Amino acid sequence: KNQVEQSPQSLIILEGKNCTLQCNYTVSPFSNLRWYKQDTGRGPVSLTIMTFSENTKSNGRYTATLDADTKQSSLHITASQLSDSASYICVVSVGTGGSYIPTFGRGTSLIVHP
Amino acid sequence: GAVVSQHPSRVICKSGTSVKIECRSLDFQATTMFWYRQFPKKSLMLMATSNEGSKATYEQGVEKDKFLINHASLTLSTLTVTSAHPEDSSFYICSARKTKNREHQPQHFGDGTRLSIL
Repeated sequence: KNQVEQSPQSLIILEGKNCTLQCNYTVSPFSNLRWYKQDTGRGPVSLTIMTFSENTKSNGRYTATLDADTKQSSLHITASQLSDSASYICVVSVGTGGSYIPTFGRGTSLIVHP
Repeated sequence: GAVVSQHPSRVICKSGTSVKIECRSLDFQATTMFWYRQFPKKSLMLMATSNEGSKATYEQGVEKDKFLINHASLTLSTLTVTSAHPEDSSFYICSARKTKNREHQPQHFGDGTRLSIL
């Protein structure tokens, strides 16, 4: 069964601190992995996408890593800001050929305190 | 670019009512649209995938007669929750992708519809 597990479930940090979110997956065949940011009551917004051959991808203060061998990904947030408070969702796309189905993790709820 | 608009953002109605939710791609043509359902503190659950001009493909456990999906044009898909009941109360989110079956094309999400059935 294709699964995407995220940890921690929730995280509270102080503004300005760094944090790292984890994503482990057991999907096959792997196509790509995305990290999304979802603000409360809003739709998810894509932060990064990585394919099998990519190890790291940055988007401003967000840096995602991918280890395809161990099937692990992380999202590192540098110098956190209050606006980073949101749910961060790891999505692994499964499939080959003509069909690609995204498998969503449950997300990590991040709260940044002043 | 790549804006997806979802309407309404919130709806409250009585049990037994049918509710239609619209999903529009405002500045691109969406060959494929997805409908998701999200319960509090849970992940998005894919309900169905629809390609323009063809019937939607529903995920296992999703009743196609309950959740009617129409994707009649490249910029509009609708989800109708027929004879809604309190257990249908949830956050419904649509997403759109520019091309069919291209895995590296991102999905662009709408802001969701909060459905509350009394």
